[in-house]
Parts: sequence; structure tokens; C-alpha cells
Amino acid sequence: GNSVTQMEGPVTLSEEAFLTINCTYTATGYPSLFWYVQYPGEGLQLLLKATKADDKGSNKGFEATYRKETTSFHLEKGSVQVSDSAVYFCALLNSGNTPLVFGKGTRLSVIA
Amino acid sequence: SAVISQKPSRDICQRGTSLTIQCQVDSQVTMMFWYRQQPGQSLTLIATANQGSEATYESGFVIDKFPISRPNLTFSTLTVSNMSPEDSSIYLCSVGQAEGYTFGSGTRLTVV
Repeated sequence: GNSVTQMEGPVTLSEEAFLTINCTYTATGYPSLFWYVQYPGEGLQLLLKATKADDKGSNKGFEATYRKETTSFHLEKGSVQVSDSAVYFCALLNSGNTPLVFGKGTRLSVIA
Repeated sequence: SAVISQKPSRDICQRGTSLTIQCQVDSQVTMMFWYRQQPGQSLTLIATANQGSEATYESGFVIDKFPISRPNLTFSTLTVSNMSPEDSSIYLCSVGQAEGYTFGSGTRLTVV
């Protein structure tokens, strides 16, 4: 079946540090991959996505590259800010009109 | 992307009562999805709601406890019935489109 595995949190970083949150997946076929972010007390927002191998999604300084050979979609940011403190969810979509499959989420805390 | 209006945003309910959560979408969508997010956890799919037919429930969720209505292509409700403290969670609806899945802002339910 389809599944997503994310690195366990929480992750605590100092401001301006480099961020990597690992995400690997198992899927039949060629899924689309997503990162969602949930800020404290808010709903989920789409952060970035990639729909095919070697695509790079990017938004707000975050990047993730769809690596078919390693079945990975790691999230990176070169310099985190306190405002990036949130829970980050990796997700996959195998075909249209089916639900997203989520990883367990990784809580990031950035301290000044 | 579709915009979802979800109500109520939060509620505190007595055990044994029921709460109905509404999601209104600003465009017609085929499928709507209902999720539960327990404190500090990832999202768990409750059911998929297709207009004009009964919802499809995931393992561990039953229609008597979580009845869903889908009267048209822009609206759905989820009822949490005969509530107990274990039902305290955030409930979210979601719709999927090619550019990504959109989530309602969530209903934070506390059962006392």
C-alpha cells in the first residue's frame, strides 16, 4: 500500500540554521508529493508540491526535490526563522479523487 | 485553489450530545474528505464523501458514530454523535484538485 515516513520530531533549531526534514514514501505507480504546514492553532496549508521525478517544489525559501531513485522528498531551508515554527507534514497522492496519505508530521521549533 | 469555509471553528460539548460540522466550498468538487487530528498527531481519514451516494468509511469509523451528508457538489456535513471525551480532536474537511488539496480551517472539539 501507500505510506509516508517522516523523521521524528521535535526538531529545535536556532534562527538562521539549516533545516532538513526527511521524508520517504512507498507507493504503487508515480505519486505526486506534497509538503503541508500547520502553524499553531491553524489549519493545514500547502507549502509546496512536485508531481514527477526530479521536479523541485519551492515556496517561502523551502525546497524539496522528488527523488524517484531513493523514493524521497526531503524538505530543506537554508536559513530558518522563528516564524517557521510549525508542524510539517509530508504527503502523497497516488491518483485523482483519492485522499492524501500523510506522514506523522514533524514539529519544528526555531528559537531566536 | 478552492476555498473552504468550515464551521464552527471550535466548540465545547457535553458528553452524550452530538455536533454537526459544516464545510462549504466555493466551487463544485466531486469528492470531499473528512479527517480527524487528535492532539499532537497526524491526520487520520474518517471517510470520503461523494455527492449522491453514501460516504465510504475507513476502518475504525462507522456511519452511526460519524454520519455524513453530501447534498450537493459544494457542501458537506459531518456529525460526531453521542460524544465522549475520546472524541476531543480537530476535525477537518478537504477537497482535492489538480493543483493540490485544500483544507478547511478545522473544528477544534472538546468534549467534557
